[in-house]
Amino acid sequence: DQQVKQNSPSLSVQEGRISILNCDYTNSMFDYFLWYKKYPAEGPTFLISISSIKDKNEDGRFTVFLNKSAKHLSLHIVPSQPGDSAVYFCAASAYSNYQLIWGAGTKLIIKP
Amino acid sequence: DAGVIQSPRHEVTEMGQEVTLRCKPISGHDYLFWYRQTMMRGLELLIYFNNNVPIDDSGMPEDRFSAKMPNASFSTLKIQPSEPRDSAVYFCASRRTGGFGGYTFGSGTRLTVV
Repeated sequence: DQQVKQNSPSLSVQEGRISILNCDYTNSMFDYFLWYKKYPAEGPTFLISISSIKDKNEDGRFTVFLNKSAKHLSLHIVPSQPGDSAVYFCAASAYSNYQLIWGAGTKLIIKP
Repeated sequence: DAGVIQSPRHEVTEMGQEVTLRCKPISGHDYLFWYRQTMMRGLELLIYFNNNVPIDDSGMPEDRFSAKMPNASFSTLKIQPSEPRDSAVYFCASRRTGGFGGYTFGSGTRLTVV
């Protein structure tokens, strides 16, 4: 029972273009969502988060959008840079429970 | 701040052997998590501790897996006996109370059981 789904195992984007990574969830109790980035041979690192009281959060080139009715969130990276090539994990949690439920990850490849 | 430190970085062992993975969390972080990453299942939470006490071990696959946190600066994950299907990357992460975005992961231990 996957509560957090990232249906695209990989995504290839041209440098300078927009990268859009998608994530769907099933549990309506989730009220906090995070994106983590992972390089090979390293642990995941926190990238950006959003609370369910918002529908958008922006940090530099990274923007996360939340559509609660569709139980869908997306991460936009613009413009995409070669250093953005990594695996991106979506994670969700409820404020009442500190556990994070993780998606399977999407490997983003930025082509020069 | 040295971050979360895991050892060893790589471990190759024979089926049936005991394996011990080690983790030193960030000083002051009161939550510690053990995760396993596989191609098939992604990131799975195995167990987590709060103030050195195991809170939820429902993710531990079976009795062959055990975890301890004898003090605030050290935790171990033990597999005995190990099996080839245990081959994965094991991550330790820590955070401070209230810090949702404050999960800090170690670099992981890549375990190969042959």
